[in-house]
Amino acid sequence: QIQLVQSGVEVKKPGASVKVSCKASGYIFTNYTINWLRQAPGQGLEWMGWISAHSGNTNYAQKFQGRVTMTTDTSTNTAYVELRSLKSVDTAVYYCARGSYGDYPYWFDPWGQGTLVTVSS
Amino acid sequence: EIQMTQSPSSLSASIGDRVTITCQASQDISEYLNWYQQRPGKAPKLLINDASTLETGVPSRFSGSGSGTDFTFTISSLQPEDIATYYCQQYDNLPLTFGGGTKVEIK
Repeated sequence: QIQLVQSGVEVKKPGASVKVSCKASGYIFTNYTINWLRQAPGQGLEWMGWISAHSGNTNYAQKFQGRVTMTTDTSTNTAYVELRSLKSVDTAVYYCARGSYGDYPYWFDPWGQGTLVTVSS
Repeated sequence: EIQMTQSPSSLSASIGDRVTITCQASQDISEYLNWYQQRPGKAPKLLINDASTLETGVPSRFSGSGSGTDFTFTISSLQPEDIATYYCQQYDNLPLTFGGGTKVEIK
């Protein structure tokens, strides 16, 4: 079955960086985008951006530009998101999600299980 | 950025009740709207795409309608397993944006 499995819990200090992974299985990895979204505690969903697993092209939400990098490793069907200069407001569950077929993600399906990133001194 | 406004933010209903959630876009998004279900402690799940297309395997008690700026999500007969927060999401323009969510509880 189609599955996205993310890396585990992270605890970081303000100013540090975090890198979360997302391993895909059950489909042709390069036919879709991988999107990254986050959800702060008790809050709604926020889209951070996507990466085309085929071309490596990225599209980041303006809010995160300059602070985020999304990459993929097609040899292991794994996507990564790195967020730098962490602040306490970056504390959230980070999700990867497969976009709809092709290079533009109309919707997100399925989602990874989520990775809790806590930023605290 | 397109703002998505959901209402209500929460509701309480009895098993078997009809539940309706609305989502309003800040500009015309045609039918470029999806609905997700997020059960407590779980990742979101896509239920409906293109405003009204039910995903495979999703029970028929769920439905969606609307176009332009006004959209509706309906559960025709609320079941215990429908306890969740529901989100709308637009894909007409970047950045992709979500409504604030509607938490559905059992009365």
